[in-house]
Amino acid sequence: GAGVSQSPSNKVTEKGKDVELRCDPISGHTALYWYRQSLGQGLEFLIYFQGNSAPDKSGLPSDRFSAERTGGSVSTLTIQRTQQEDSAVYLCASGPSGEYREQYFGPGTRLTVT
Amino acid sequence: SQQGEEDPQALSIQEGENATMNCSYKTSINNLQWYRQNSGRGLVHLILIRSNEREKHSGRLRVTLDTSKKSSSLLITASRAADTASYFCSNTGGFKTIFGAGTRLFVKA
Repeated sequence: GAGVSQSPSNKVTEKGKDVELRCDPISGHTALYWYRQSLGQGLEFLIYFQGNSAPDKSGLPSDRFSAERTGGSVSTLTIQRTQQEDSAVYLCASGPSGEYREQYFGPGTRLTVT
Repeated sequence: SQQGEEDPQALSIQEGENATMNCSYKTSINNLQWYRQNSGRGLVHLILIRSNEREKHSGRLRVTLDTSKKSSSLLITASRAADTASYFCSNTGGFKTIFGAGTRLFVKA
């Protein structure tokens, strides 16, 4: 079946511009996660959605970052007034509800801020 | 920080040898999972071990969990060049899943 998809796969933007990154999770998955990964580094948790509950935004690095999940499905991560340090791969993962919370990752969006 | 840590950070071995990677975590967990990442893109789930399990096998993979030491190990037996990748552990406790920084494994043919 279809996995998690993300778009665009690559995005180059100028410093100061806003960007939107999209994640289409696996159908039926109630959990959705956004992570950021800088070159050669581990995953940095950004935000977590679970069903209709209020999202866990504790990983968002600044108020320039926001995310929405519409209808419990598609999610959009928005970065306003991008900075060069925002350059990274942004990974989305979805997962079923339940105790074990295995995550299925999308291919990521590589963001480059020039 | 709640982040777990893998060690070593990097590991280089010959094809056919075994590779062992370790992971430590700081909080109580429901389960611990290992993932593999090729070429800096999406992660692929390898194996999950529950907090009440001590050892689990899947093909050439063997995972152990020691909750008293808050640590886990991933053993890849008879490594292949195709095993070259970064390996991450993640632990889930409550609603948050924490990933470590990963071990970069290089298997030389």
